[in-house]
Amino acid sequence: GEQVEQLPSILRVQERSSASINCTYENSASNYFPWYKQEPGENPKLIIDIRSNMERKQIQGLIVLLDKKAKRFSLHITDTQPADSAMYFCAARSNTGYQNFYFGKGTSLTVIP
Amino acid sequence: NSKVIQTPRYLVKGQGQKAKMRCIPEKGHPVVFWYQQNKNNEFKFLINFQNQEVLQQIDMTEKRFSAECPSNSPCSLEIQSSEAGDSALYLCASSRANSDYTFGSGTRLLVI
Repeated sequence: GEQVEQLPSILRVQERSSASINCTYENSASNYFPWYKQEPGENPKLIIDIRSNMERKQIQGLIVLLDKKAKRFSLHITDTQPADSAMYFCAARSNTGYQNFYFGKGTSLTVIP
Repeated sequence: NSKVIQTPRYLVKGQGQKAKMRCIPEKGHPVVFWYQQNKNNEFKFLINFQNQEVLQQIDMTEKRFSAECPSNSPCSLEIQSSEAGDSALYLCASSRANSDYTFGSGTRLLVI
C-alpha cells in the first residue's frame, strides 16, 4: 500500500505554543518525507524534509521526527505565529517505482493571536 | 515566484469543452508530475513523465486526458471533454531524481 494518513485534519493553537502534525505511511520502502505548506490560493511550498537515514531534523522553529520502525513521521512547529496559519501536507516517497509522492490529506492550522 | 511555470492561472470551460493547461518545469528537472487538488485539498496523482516519456498514469487520465512533455516545448495536460467534477486546482511539479518537488502555481479550472 501507498497510503499516507495525516492527523489531525484541523488544528487550532494559541500563538507562541507548539503545533504537532502526525503522519503514518504504509510502504516500508519509503525513504523521503517532505512537508509542504500551502497558503490560500497559493501552490504548496516545501518547508522541511527528512530522509530515511535520519531520525530528527530541525530548521529554526520546525522539527521533523521520523520513526521508521513505526512508519511514522511528524512535524512540530515551535513558538507558532499567526503567519504559520495555513494548510500543511506531509508526503512520503518510495525509492522504487516512479518516485511518486503520496500525500496526506492535509492539516488546516490556525494560530490564534 | 515558482521556478515551475504554469499557465493559465485560471481557466473556465463549459461542460464538454476541451481544457488545456501548460507547464514549464524547472530547468534541469527531468521528471514532471501532474496532480489534481480537489476542493477538499486532496492530491490525486494524474500522470508523470521522465523527459518525454510517460512513466505512469491513472485510468482516468488515460481515458479522458491527453498529456505530453515534448522536448523544447512546455508540457501540457488537456481534458478532452470537461465535466463538472474536473473543477479543481491542477498542479504541475518537477524534480530531479531522488529530490523534492518544485510545484508550479497551478491552474484553477472551473467547469460550468
